[in-house]
Amino acid sequence: AQKITQTQPGMFVQEKEAVTLDCTYDTSDPSYGLFWYKQPSSGEMIFLIYQGSYDQQNATEGRYSLNFQKARKSANLVISASQLGDSAMYFCAMRERGNAGKSTFGDGTTLTVKP
Amino acid sequence: DVKVTQSSRYLVKRTGEKVFLECVQDMDHENMFWYRQDPGLGLRLIYFSYDVKMKEKGDIPEGYSVSREKKERFSLILESASTNQTSMYLCASSSPSTSPSFTGELFFGEGSRLTVL
Repeated sequence: AQKITQTQPGMFVQEKEAVTLDCTYDTSDPSYGLFWYKQPSSGEMIFLIYQGSYDQQNATEGRYSLNFQKARKSANLVISASQLGDSAMYFCAMRERGNAGKSTFGDGTTLTVKP
Repeated sequence: DVKVTQSSRYLVKRTGEKVFLECVQDMDHENMFWYRQDPGLGLRLIYFSYDVKMKEKGDIPEGYSVSREKKERFSLILESASTNQTSMYLCASSSPSTSPSFTGELFFGEGSRLTVL
């Protein structure tokens, strides 16, 4: 079974609007971390935001927030006030403490911001 | 500024050639990883290393080997390149999962795009 599922291969959003990128995960490890990375067309992977499995509050970093619903095993990324520079591929990833520090990635979502 | 540096951004090799992809990090991280990225398949782990001279197979190790002689350097080796190894290769490093913070985000290099003809 796939550990990280991103069901949206591509998404479009109008500039200045908010967008939600979906991510569901599967693990039996009680201690894990969830991550979102951004990959612009230039290719480098950029870490955006982190949520720990024991964190009570949803993580936020500037315009990025992570909507963490533990019981549903979902970790959606919300980008507020989209900008043209947000156009990129976005990857959801999970790191399980019992998995020797390895991260598992979803297939990615390509976000296009329209002017 | 912390950095992971991959030796080559673009490589073109012939089938059967031996290929070395080098990766160096300056963050004193114990963990280093090699991923392969293909369209629609996300990132797949080839090998990782959690200490000098230590290595473990990831999800797709076939056709690859690695070397970690020094903490800062992790090399990916294609003993005999094949066309199905044409891909983007990403090196990454992180602090160990046993570290107190365990934020554990990966720091990536810029990627090496390999074409095997």
